[in-house]
Amino acid sequence: NAGVTQTPKFRILKIGQSMTLQCTQDMNHNYMYWYRQDPGMGLKLIYYSVGAGITDKGEVPNGYNVSRSTTEDFPLRLELAAPSQTSVYFCASSYSAGTGLGNTIYFGEGSWLTVV
Amino acid sequence: QQQVKQSPQSLIVQKGGIPIINCAYENTAFDYFPWYQQFPGKGPALLIAIRPDVSEKKEGRFTISFNKSAKQFSLHIMDSQPGDSATYFCAASRSFDRGSTLGRLYFGRGTQLTVWP
Repeated sequence: NAGVTQTPKFRILKIGQSMTLQCTQDMNHNYMYWYRQDPGMGLKLIYYSVGAGITDKGEVPNGYNVSRSTTEDFPLRLELAAPSQTSVYFCASSYSAGTGLGNTIYFGEGSWLTVV
Repeated sequence: QQQVKQSPQSLIVQKGGIPIINCAYENTAFDYFPWYQQFPGKGPALLIAIRPDVSEKKEGRFTISFNKSAKQFSLHIMDSQPGDSATYFCAASRSFDRGSTLGRLYFGRGTQLTVWP
């Protein structure tokens, strides 16, 4: 099983460029998430989606956009990249709200992004 | 504001030792406390989780101890092995956030554990 797949794995962007991080899951999960992980800071929620066509902001949404046109895909768009967006980005999914026993959040392997 | 405070930042033990990672929270509405394990170059994976109606939960060599009155919980790894070397994150959430059906997970900053052979 592929689980949660993210692309690209690594990317270097110049300041002001834009790009899209792709995420797809094959577990038929309703909930999908984007987190960023900075050294020593844990994971911060950027955006999440509870189903196709429904998205909402997390803790740190500024500078990002998302869309959810299908159950499987949840791309993250970075507009006008800034050095502060240098981070590791994780896409994740869960069948339901991932906060109950038995509702596991599954993470992808991450996308390393550097903005120079 | 860090909703979940985790310590220590790093931890080194010898094989067979019992590393202990501690977390504290302020929001008494939190009712779900998972621990995630992350190996280098990989995404976090759920290790073990607990609800506040129990004081301890064991799964294999991993144990969560929960102290509701102190608003603290900890992860113990019995008979630690080099393969346990990873970063561990505690987290907490409410089952439902006000105005949303998503219980948002708040993560600690992580503990990098190294187990020497």
